Amino acid sequence: QVQLQESGPGLVKPSETLSLTCTVSGDSVNSPNYYWSWIRQPPGRGLEWIGYVYFNGNTNFNASLKSRLTMSIDTPKNQFSLKVRSVTAADTAFYFCGRWSVVKSAVDYWGRGTLVTVSS
Amino acid sequence: DIQMTQSPSSLSASVGDRVTITCRASQTVDTYINWYQQEPGKAPKLLIYAASHLQSGVPARFSGSGSGTDFTLTINSLQPEDFAVYFCQLNYSDRPFGQGTKLEIK
Repeated sequence: QVQLQESGPGLVKPSETLSLTCTVSGDSVNSPNYYWSWIRQPPGRGLEWIGYVYFNGNTNFNASLKSRLTMSIDTPKNQFSLKVRSVTAADTAFYFCGRWSVVKSAVDYWGRGTLVTVSS
Repeated sequence: DIQMTQSPSSLSASVGDRVTITCRASQTVDTYINWYQQEPGKAPKLLIYAASHLQSGVPARFSGSGSGTDFTLTINSLQPEDFAVYFCQLNYSDRPFGQGTKLEIK
């Protein structure tokens, strides 16, 4: 059974960097069949796709966030990570990691999500 | 940028009803649409991919259709566990989601 679990600080100060890690079990981040993705959802609002990292380190980001994003993959630890620089209150959201199937072009497995609040 | 407009934003229905949720793209997107269900406090769950393909494990009362700019998610014979929020998503470019449809018990 594929499982994903987000981890990282729940509180980040404005202008600092938000850092999250997703640990994958039941599958390998080294698979060419999936893009390892991040999606976020401000409390009570809709979903926003952030981007993904591929097994070879290639990335694809939402154009609106691209200038502030870094994503990476750690094959030995079977993890992938997200960094968002220069955060503001608008970055407060539930952050979900997900497995984007290349064949289906959809997120077929999701983490439970973690709330990150940007506040001083 | 391609925009996804979902309607209605909320919908009341009863157990056993048939409901339809629509998603319209601002330009033609072939069949590059996914549908997800999100229960309160949980992560979304994939229901339909590529407009009409049922995700493994999803009950057959869920179906999707459409191509071009107009897409529908249909739920036949609503069950109590189906009352949730539903989102469409374009599966390329910036992969935008629709605003969501909250399905409530009448």
